[in-house]
Amino acid sequence: DTAVSQTPKYLVTQMGNDKSIKCEQNLGHDTMYWYKQDSKKFLKIMFSYNNKELIINETVPNRFSPKSPDKAHLNLHINSLELGDSAVYFCASSRGLAGNQETQYFGPGTRLLVL
Amino acid sequence: GENVEQHPSTLSVQEGDSAVIKCTYSDSASNYFPWYKQELGKRPQLIIDIRSNVGEKKDQRIAVTLNKTAKHFSLHITETQPEDSAVYFCAARMPGTYKYIFGTGTRLKVLA
Repeated sequence: DTAVSQTPKYLVTQMGNDKSIKCEQNLGHDTMYWYKQDSKKFLKIMFSYNNKELIINETVPNRFSPKSPDKAHLNLHINSLELGDSAVYFCASSRGLAGNQETQYFGPGTRLLVL
Repeated sequence: GENVEQHPSTLSVQEGDSAVIKCTYSDSASNYFPWYKQELGKRPQLIIDIRSNVGEKKDQRIAVTLNKTAKHFSLHITETQPEDSAVYFCAARMPGTYKYIFGTGTRLKVLA
C-alpha cells in the first residue's frame, strides 16, 4: 500500500562500480521524477518522464541513465560511480503535468554512499 | 537562470510562537508553489501549496501567501509545536519546462 517506493533504501559501494536504483508508484500517476539531495540538503531535479517519455534531462553526467519500462516504474542506473555521487536520491511522481495534476509525492529515498 | 531563494536558513522559535519562511522566485511564469516538510531521515512531504491565481491559502495552523508582483511567497506556521521541527522547502514550478526549482531549505527548531 506504499504510494511511491524505492529500492534499495541504502546502497554502499566502491568507486567505479555500476549500480541501479528502482522506483515504483501505485498511484496511477503518469509522471515520475528523480531528484538528488546532497549533504547540504539541496534538492535538485535530475530527470522526469511523462508517459514513459523523457521530458526533463538536467545537466547530469551521462553516467546517469534513467529508464522507464512502464508508467509505474522509473529506474536510475549509474555507471562508474564517483565519490561525489554520494547523496540521497529521491523518486517522486505526479498525476500529470497540467494544472491541478502537478503535485509531487516523494518516495522514501535511497541513501547512496560511494567509498 | 531559474532560481528560488529561501530565507532564513535556520529559524528557532519558542513553542506557541509563529514562524515565517520566505521565498523569492526568478521566473515570472512560475504558476505553482508547493511547500514541503522534511523530517530527519525522511522523505519531503507536501504540507500546503498555492497556485498563481490565488493570493492566500490556509490549512489549520499553516498558511501560504503569494505576491506575484514581487515574486515572493511565504509560509506561516502559527502556534508552533515541537513536532513542527523539521527542514522546510519551498519550490516553484516552471510551466514551460515542467521543472520544479527548490529553495535551499529552512531548518526550523521549535523549543519547548
